[in-house]
Formats: sequence, C-alpha cells, structure tokens
Amino acid sequence: GENVEQHPSTLSVQEGDSAVIKCTYSDSASNYFPWYKQELGKGPQLIIDIRSNVGEKKDQRIAVTLNKTAKHFSLHITETQPEDSAVYFCAAQGNNRLAFGKGNQVVVIP
Amino acid sequence: DGGITQSPKYLFRKEGQNVTLSCEQNLNHDAMYWYRQDPGQGLRLIYYSQIVNDFQKGDIAEGYSVSREKKESFPLTVTSAQKNPTAFYLCASNMARQPQHFGDGTRLSIL
Repeated sequence: GENVEQHPSTLSVQEGDSAVIKCTYSDSASNYFPWYKQELGKGPQLIIDIRSNVGEKKDQRIAVTLNKTAKHFSLHITETQPEDSAVYFCAAQGNNRLAFGKGNQVVVIP
Repeated sequence: DGGITQSPKYLFRKEGQNVTLSCEQNLNHDAMYWYRQDPGQGLRLIYYSQIVNDFQKGDIAEGYSVSREKKESFPLTVTSAQKNPTAFYLCASNMARQPQHFGDGTRLSIL
C-alpha cells in the first residue's frame, strides 16, 4: 500500500517568516494530495489540495507544489501568523483510500 | 449548517465492555470513513463505506465493527476484543473524487 513520509516532525518559525513542510510518497499511481490542518481537540480541516495533473496550486498565503518524478510534494505557508500554529498532515490517495503522513507540529513564535 | 457530527466527545470504556461511537452527516455524502489517531501518529483507516449496506475493512479493523443502514449514519463499535482502544477516533465523509471532510472526533479512554 501507499506509504507517506512527512518531514520535519516539528517546525518553529518567527511570525512573518515562511514555513515549508515536505512529504514523500511511495505509490506512483497516487493522484490526489490534500493537506489538512488540525488544531488541538478538533478534527483535521482541509486547507489545500492538488491533483497529479498540476504542478503547483496557491490559495492566498498557502501553496502546494508537486514533483511526480521525485514523488514528493510540499506545503508552503508565507507570512506566518500565530493562528497558523497547528499540526499539519499531508496525504496521498490511490485506489480511493487516503494514506496520511504522521503530521508536523508548526509553532509560530510571535 | 451542514457537517459531520460525532458523539460523544469523550467516552470511557470498562474492561470487557463494547462501546459505540456515533457519526452522523447531513452533507448527502455517499462515502464515510472511520480513522484512529494516536499521539504523534497519522490517521489510520479502520473501516470505510462507499454506499449504504456495504462497508470494507481498512488497515486496522481487528476489534472494531461498523454498520451502514442509513446514508447519513456510520456508527463504530469498539469491542472488547480491541485490547488497546485508547485513542482519538475521527469520522469523515465525501462524495466520489471529492475531498474528505472530518468531524471533531471522539476521545476514548479506558477506566
């Protein structure tokens, strides 16, 4: 089955700086890559996603890039704010099932 | 408001007891999913259902059971056979080829 690795496990950034989280996947047939944000005691919330026919997608301060050849994709958050502090999960979908990375704790320091 | 409702928010289980976690959605989604989340871990798929009266095992189905008698409801039973049930349980739903949306989870603990 699909295996998703996510790095780093924890990331601290100064407010206003950029944060980048990288994920790799194993199954070249995976074709859909969502990113979720999870706040304490809550369920994950979709923040952005990308399909395999697109290399980059942007939504305000958030962007995702996909490199199908290398089988990795990244989340970029620019101009970070304290409310960006959360756990971020990447996922890859093939065969109608999502495989999740282990999550990345992002801490934005005011 | 449309969404996914999980209840209860906190649940306690005694030894040898079965407990049932509720998941209801009013999004008219065809597919529903149950995931288990442990500290510092990603989400692991327990069971999923793509249509009423049908469901499939995920990666960690042992010790769990589900039913899908109605489109909007997908309850999960944690049986006494599940020896390590303490975790955060998340329910999700979607339409085909659309993102999964999650409820706010149920935290299960052992007394």
